[in-house]
Amino acid sequence: QQQVKQSPQSLIVQKGGISIINCAYENTAFDYFPWYQQFPGKGPALLIAIRPDVSEKKEGRFTISFNKSAKQFSLHIMDSQPGDSATYFCAASKGGSARQLTFGSGTQLTVLP
Amino acid sequence: GAGVSQSPRYKVTKRGQDVTLRCDPISSHATLYWYQQALGQGPEFLTYFNYEAQPDKSGLPSDRFSAERPEGSISTLTIQRTEQRDSAMYRCASSYDRTDTQYFGPGTRLTVL
Repeated sequence: QQQVKQSPQSLIVQKGGISIINCAYENTAFDYFPWYQQFPGKGPALLIAIRPDVSEKKEGRFTISFNKSAKQFSLHIMDSQPGDSATYFCAASKGGSARQLTFGSGTQLTVLP
Repeated sequence: GAGVSQSPRYKVTKRGQDVTLRCDPISSHATLYWYQQALGQGPEFLTYFNYEAQPDKSGLPSDRFSAERPEGSISTLTIQRTEQRDSAMYRCASSYDRTDTQYFGPGTRLTVL
């Protein structure tokens, strides 16, 4: 059962453009939604995270938009740079006990110079 | 340590053999997670430890999979009687406590021939 669906699978953006990656979840018990960035040969690294009590969180060029009623959240990368080229994973977890993350299938982002 | 380390980075084994993968978490991190990541997919939760306790084994695919963390630091994941479907990247992550950010290691790429 795929509890977090991520799209698109791959994305090509010109330098300076906006990259948008979308995720949808099914489990209404999820209450923590992180995005991870993964470079080749490395493990995923936390980029930005949001909790459902806010609809948007911005950190530098990265913004998470969250729509609780639609059970969707998205990552926006403004002014995309070639150094942003990586695989991005959305994830979700439930509070309380350990945060075992449920990941989306990933989006391979390529930013052209 | 500076980050989460895993060894070996690559392991090739024959079907039916046992393999043991090692994870060395960030020192002082109480919580340690194991994930399995198939090619082109996001990591999937296997199990986690809080110090040496293992409260959740729900993600382990079968009883051929087991994990230990006897002294609350280094952890091992053992797969007995490996099968070709066990081929995947196995990732370890650690966090300061159960609610904190997870830091991922580089993974062990397991190939079962």
